[in-house]
Amino acid sequence: AQKVTQAQTEISVVEKEDVTLDCVYETRDTTYYLFWYKQPPSGELVFLIRRNSFDEQNEISGRYSWNFQKSTSSFNFTITASQVVDSAVYFCALSERRYGNKLVFGAGTILRVKS
Amino acid sequence: DSGVTQTPKHLITATGQRVTLRCSPRSGDLSVYWYQQSLDQGLQFLIQYYNGEERAKGNILERFSAQQFPDLHSELNLSSLELGDSALYFCASSPSGTFNEQFFGPGTRLTVL
Repeated sequence: AQKVTQAQTEISVVEKEDVTLDCVYETRDTTYYLFWYKQPPSGELVFLIRRNSFDEQNEISGRYSWNFQKSTSSFNFTITASQVVDSAVYFCALSERRYGNKLVFGAGTILRVKS
Repeated sequence: DSGVTQTPKHLITATGQRVTLRCSPRSGDLSVYWYQQSLDQGLQFLIQYYNGEERAKGNILERFSAQQFPDLHSELNLSSLELGDSALYFCASSPSGTFNEQFFGPGTRLTVL
């Protein structure tokens, strides 16, 4: 079964703090992709990253980094030196080869960054 | 700006009515997806079209239907609307039908009164 769990409903941090958003997934497929999307208060969904199941290398993009660990079925997202503009809802998502390209989303984590 | 356009931005209608939501994918993208975002169900996949053909179906009600036209734009038709259909409806597009990142439009907020 496809399932994505984001156990943190809401996180509040003060600007410049580092914050990690957790994502745990369940899949029976050996070929799958994991994604992170950001939904700012304006409401649109912004693509952040895609990772395939065969590439466990961590990735860094500016202040953003992602830690993919197949052993624990986790794909965590860290924001370093958070800023107020990072305030948004962050969604982790999974797609499996057997189900085509449909995305199964987690419930999302609300991140509030205070100045 | 993702390059995906959706109209209208907001829609307010009454129970029992029928509405049509429209989506234009990014230039060159062949696949269109529809998702529903509601407070109780979260973000849920409804349906996917690839180059005019239905490719995958999710939790889409029988009262809902969609199609993708030869110019690749897509429409989602919602009929016999109920209060529970109030949600944000997103369209997304990707270059092909598998494993690409999907780029989302701004959404259509549907309110059923």
